[in-house]
Amino acid sequence: KQEVTQIPAALSVPEGENLVLNCSFTDSAIYNLQWFRQDPGKGLTSLLLIQSSQREQTSGRLNASLDKSSGRSTLYIAASQPGDSATYLCAVGGATNKLIFGTGTLLAVQP
Amino acid sequence: ETGVTQSPTHLIKTRGQQVTLRCSSQSGHNTVSWYQQALGQGPQFIFQYYREEENGRGNFPPRFSGLQFPNYSSELNVNALELDDSALYLCASSLLGQGKETQYFGPGTRLLVL
Repeated sequence: KQEVTQIPAALSVPEGENLVLNCSFTDSAIYNLQWFRQDPGKGLTSLLLIQSSQREQTSGRLNASLDKSSGRSTLYIAASQPGDSATYLCAVGGATNKLIFGTGTLLAVQP
Repeated sequence: ETGVTQSPTHLIKTRGQQVTLRCSSQSGHNTVSWYQQALGQGPQFIFQYYREEENGRGNFPPRFSGLQFPNYSSELNVNALELDDSALYLCASSLLGQGKETQYFGPGTRLLVL
């Protein structure tokens, strides 16, 4: 049974810092991995999707990496801003694109 | 804005009642998935519909049922509501089979069962 874990559960950093969020999964037989952002009480916004054959994806200040063999992904946020404050969720996708989510990392960027 | 809409935004029901939640997929998408997100947890997969047929189901009882219509909009029905059904219900649409599996989520329906 696939399990997804995110560390840390919460993180507080000063504005301008670079930071790394971690995601690990127990079964390496995945089709893709997706990172989402969720603002309080809101739906999910897709940030990056990495196919199982890829090693990383970049969008603006965000970079996500995937190491299937070790069951790990990281989301790197460069030059953090207060507007980056949100919960970040990673999810692994199987053959039918059913997503299994971690419990998220709550990020607070202090001005 | 993902183009995925859900209604209603909030709903209050009492235990034992039935509820129907609605989702309008992003234009051109053929797949809709429903997720339940309890407070402080990650979303949990309920089921997925692909071209109007159920295409996978999570660990949810039969009182959770769904429909997908020819225009790819969808409904989630929950019978005999229980207190633990209180959660944010999210739908997500995607284009399965085209190498573009990114799922686009709607804003969710927050259900409170009293």
